[in-house]
Amino acid sequence: DIQMTQSPSSVSASVGDRVTITCRASQGISSWLAWYQQKPGKAPKLLIYAASSLQSGVPSRFSGSGSGTDFTLTISSLQPDDFATYYCQQANSFPLSFGGGTKVEIK
Amino acid sequence: EVQLVESGGGVVRPGGSLRLSCAASGFTFDGYGMSWVRQAPGKGLEWVSGINWKGGTTGYADSVKGRFTISRANAKNSLYLQMNSLRTEDTALYYCARAVDSSGHAAIDCWGQGTLVTVSS
Repeated sequence: DIQMTQSPSSVSASVGDRVTITCRASQGISSWLAWYQQKPGKAPKLLIYAASSLQSGVPSRFSGSGSGTDFTLTISSLQPDDFATYYCQQANSFPLSFGGGTKVEIK
Repeated sequence: EVQLVESGGGVVRPGGSLRLSCAASGFTFDGYGMSWVRQAPGKGLEWVSGINWKGGTTGYADSVKGRFTISRANAKNSLYLQMNSLRTEDTALYYCARAVDSSGHAAIDCWGQGTLVTVSS
């Protein structure tokens, strides 16, 4: 089974900051990687699929990169609405798996 | 509008069983793989089980393998999760979720609001 490791587990940042979150797979998953945003009390929201494809309706300040085992989610200029928890997920094969999450907090 | 509505959650004793259902609407249900994802209180997301469009391919997390069974009824636009031998660690909000393609092992683009399962004596 494929394990997903996210870092950091939390980050404090200010509005306008550039924020980078990393995700590492325990084995190669090509580009089968998705990123989600979750706010308290809400279902997750898909941001990025296939490692770098922006889901429809998601602001362009979000971007994803990577392939194989190492992936990155970047928020180019953090906005007030972006304070949330972010998860990566491998979509290479069953069983699917999520990373442990990264909480983006206000500095 | 795409909608996924879960039902069947509740309080159950350890060792008991529950069957979750998910009613899908607003899209061609048999064109998509589906998953169940859970989230324990204050914890992260855990993928539980997935199924392809036809039901011929399924997958399970190690934590539920042999105890949970996923199934679907395309004619009824419905997804199910039969949960047996429940443990206290199965306590969570269970989300029904739609994959972006028919395989099931894919990104998830639509989520229900979840149904709460509490396993407690």
